[in-house]
Amino acid sequence: DTAVSQTPKYLVTQMGNDKSIKCEQNLGHDTMYWYKQDSKKFLKIMFSYNNKELIINETVPNRFSPKSPDKAHLNLHINSLELGDSAVYFCASSQDVWGTGELFFGEGSRLTVL
Amino acid sequence: TQLLEQSPQFLSIQEGENLTVYCNSSSVFSSLQWYRQEPGEGPVLLVTVVTGGEVKKLKRLTFQFGDARKDSSLHITAAQPGDTGLYLCAGRGSSNTGKLIFGQGTTLQVKP
Repeated sequence: DTAVSQTPKYLVTQMGNDKSIKCEQNLGHDTMYWYKQDSKKFLKIMFSYNNKELIINETVPNRFSPKSPDKAHLNLHINSLELGDSAVYFCASSQDVWGTGELFFGEGSRLTVL
Repeated sequence: TQLLEQSPQFLSIQEGENLTVYCNSSSVFSSLQWYRQEPGEGPVLLVTVVTGGEVKKLKRLTFQFGDARKDSSLHITAAQPGDTGLYLCAGRGSSNTGKLIFGQGTTLQVKP
């Protein structure tokens, strides 16, 4: 059983299209995150939800819209894709927002915008 | 804005050599974590350090948190090809959002 699973693993699409990435965790965690890893391997936080409530919203274009239907799921929808959106997107979860909790990451979704 | 600077960014060494990776910031962190990421996978936690001056060992890996909780180091003794990967330090501030700030990463290649 994969603790944090995201789909699809690979996405190739044209500029201007809209795409979604889904994420599910079966760890019973309260907090979920979306991180973007660029071509230089830098991991930057985008969003965080705690018990379905948005708690972190970094400076991300509003073309990116997260949605958490329940605390086990956090999806990411991207409108009007641009070349610069090409990256690997990682979903992660942690027990909660307190303390020194470990982040459990999915395998990543590699998005390529042509 | 809290930033973490990792150095070196790339390291290529022979099996059996020792190495140290540094993670520095001008900000104080309530805790600091080290993750390792292999190609095609997400990062996996190696260790969490919380107390200034704390030292933790994980087999051949030694992690240290600076006294002022602004920096950390990872030392690998007698590196092996299996140690090859991307090493990421990540700091957590004092906010109640759980936000984890990552360094740029150190890509380590250990040649047999």
